[in-house]
Amino acid sequence: QKEVEQNSGPLSVPEGAIASLNCTYSDRGSQSFFWYRQYSGKSPELIMSIYSNGDKEDGRFTAQLNKASQYVSLLIRDSQPSDSATYLCAVKGTGGFKTIFGAGTRLFVKA
Amino acid sequence: EAGVTQFPSHSVIEKGQTVTLRCDPISGHDNLYWYRRVMGKEIKFLLHFVKESKQDESGMPNNRFLAERTGGTYSTLKVQPAELEDSGVYFCASSLTDFTDTQYFGPGTRLTVL
Repeated sequence: QKEVEQNSGPLSVPEGAIASLNCTYSDRGSQSFFWYRQYSGKSPELIMSIYSNGDKEDGRFTAQLNKASQYVSLLIRDSQPSDSATYLCAVKGTGGFKTIFGAGTRLFVKA
Repeated sequence: EAGVTQFPSHSVIEKGQTVTLRCDPISGHDNLYWYRRVMGKEIKFLLHFVKESKQDESGMPNNRFLAERTGGTYSTLKVQPAELEDSGVYFCASSLTDFTDTQYFGPGTRLTVL
């Protein structure tokens, strides 16, 4: 079992729709959770971080965390073509400082 | 403010050669991280410096990899001797504090070992 799992996609949504990206993790003691966006050929860019159960909203982005289910999600409202990228889920576990990344979900937003 | 910079952007070497990658973190960031992404795989943690000290090097694949951060500023990652499976993109990131703080990634160095 991978430590952080994501559906590789691609996920295709029409412009203006809600894109829903999901992630599960194996380390039950994990405390910090991140969503990065990576455009092709570019470096990852942090878009959301979440540390406690529930929802966290920032503009068009909402991160949701459920530690009991070991599940993190990212919702992108009013999706734009410029949101087309690979979205990486990352988790900071217990007993160390390393950040574990998922393989990423490719998102395409069709104009 | 300048971001994280990495040099070179691309490196093509032959198996058995040595390559040194450099990372300059954002000024004032004590925490520096090295990651690697092999083709088709997820980004993997290599190691973490706090200033000049190695805080966690559990992700280093083997003793052919040597990371240094003399003086707590820039860092180098040396691969000696390089093997085919070392090919990938090597990212460096830095953060002001650890744990919850944002990590800013550099553009990466694409290493190809022939």
